[in-house]
Amino acid sequence: DTAVSQTPKYLVTQMGNDKSIKCEQNLGHDTMYWYKQDSKKFLKIMFSYNNKELIINETVPNRFSPKSPDKAHLNLHINSLELGDSAVYFCASSPRALDYEQYFGPGTRLTVT
Amino acid sequence: QKEVEQDPGPLSVPEGAIVSLNCTYSNSAFQYFMWYRQYSRKGPELLMYTYSSGNKEDGRFTAQVDKSSKYISLFIRDSQPSDSATYLCAMRTSGSRLTFGEGTQLTVNP
Repeated sequence: DTAVSQTPKYLVTQMGNDKSIKCEQNLGHDTMYWYKQDSKKFLKIMFSYNNKELIINETVPNRFSPKSPDKAHLNLHINSLELGDSAVYFCASSPRALDYEQYFGPGTRLTVT
Repeated sequence: QKEVEQDPGPLSVPEGAIVSLNCTYSNSAFQYFMWYRQYSRKGPELLMYTYSSGNKEDGRFTAQVDKSSKYISLFIRDSQPSDSATYLCAMRTSGSRLTFGEGTQLTVNP
């Protein structure tokens, strides 16, 4: 059983399109995160939800909108995609907010052409 | 200046070598220090965790924290080809988000 799963694994799309990435965790954790990893492997947090409540909202363009329908799911919707959005997006979860041990999904490799 | 600095490498060593990976940081409030390992095309996974200063050993891995120098290290003894991965340091203050280093890409050659 996959602990943290993401769909899709790969996403290739054109500039200006809108796309969504879905994440689910079956670990019973309270907190979920979205990270962006650029081509240099630099991992940067974007958002975090604790029990469906937004607790971290880093400086991210408004085109990115997270949504947590329940504490096991965290989705990321991106409007008007730009070339600079190309990256690997990782979902993660932890038992409690801001735990040092976070469990990462396999990542979604987004390529904007 | 980035809060956490890590040499991205790449670092290539022969099997059996001792590997030393390092990070420096600028925020003296950091108290929790982690090393994550990321295999190619996979998500990061927690490898070691240390609170405040000192050493921690787990099998072939040793994590060291020197808060006076704002410097942390991960040592891998008797390195194996299966250790080939990107190693990311991460740290945080009490109650804050994780701040990651850029990651060091390590290759252990058989």
